[in-house]
Amino acid sequence: QSALTQPASVSGSPGQSITISCTGTNSDVGSYNLVSWYQHHPGKAPKVMIYDVSKRPSGVSSRFSASKSGNTASLTISGLQAEDEADYYCCSYAGGTTYWLFGGGTKLTVL
Amino acid sequence: EVQLLESGGGLVQPGGSLRLSCAASGFTFTNYAMTWVRQAPGKGLEWVSAISDSAHNTYYADSVKGRFTISRDNTKNTLFFQMNNLRADDTAVYYCVKEKGSGSHPQYFDYWGQGALVTVSS
Repeated sequence: QSALTQPASVSGSPGQSITISCTGTNSDVGSYNLVSWYQHHPGKAPKVMIYDVSKRPSGVSSRFSASKSGNTASLTISGLQAEDEADYYCCSYAGGTTYWLFGGGTKLTVL
Repeated sequence: EVQLLESGGGLVQPGGSLRLSCAASGFTFTNYAMTWVRQAPGKGLEWVSAISDSAHNTYYADSVKGRFTISRDNTKNTLFFQMNNLRADDTAVYYCVKEKGSGSHPQYFDYWGQGALVTVSS
């Protein structure tokens, strides 16, 4: 099964908001409320930012929010800060033999 | 503090084998499913395999099915990944990842190791 579809890159200025989309199918994103988002600074361990479509783990800034509509999930980062510059990956449970699917990743640049 | 420490990575020739280990600490290892996720150079994250808390259930991506085997030793809090018949496109950083749940109800990945580099080249 193919990876979930994310834009390769997005950018924004400090203080602005950006949204990253994650498009799957009705076999994964559209079927399960098990979409999570991970922030990955190169050379470091990825960090979960959102789980169960829109829930934030303890310690994650409220500037990070997410939602889902149909087969597309979205991550929004408001009040962009320099430290938000990283790669972001969506992930969805897909069941069956596919089990988990990641998106191709989106590189966020804070201008 | 949860810690996941991978070891066993390195350079191997095509067709060769390698065994990754992941020493877990800071949580009750026997209660959680574990996963391996890899990232090839310049590429995104790819889920490759998972194992339930009791090891009764294992799952594999099509790309590694039949070549790689995931296992765990709950008495030693250690996760393993036996990789056989390695190919050049298996070259990647392999992350040991803790799942939030036991495996009976998938949830998400709450802790990741720093990764182990596996390079398959002649």
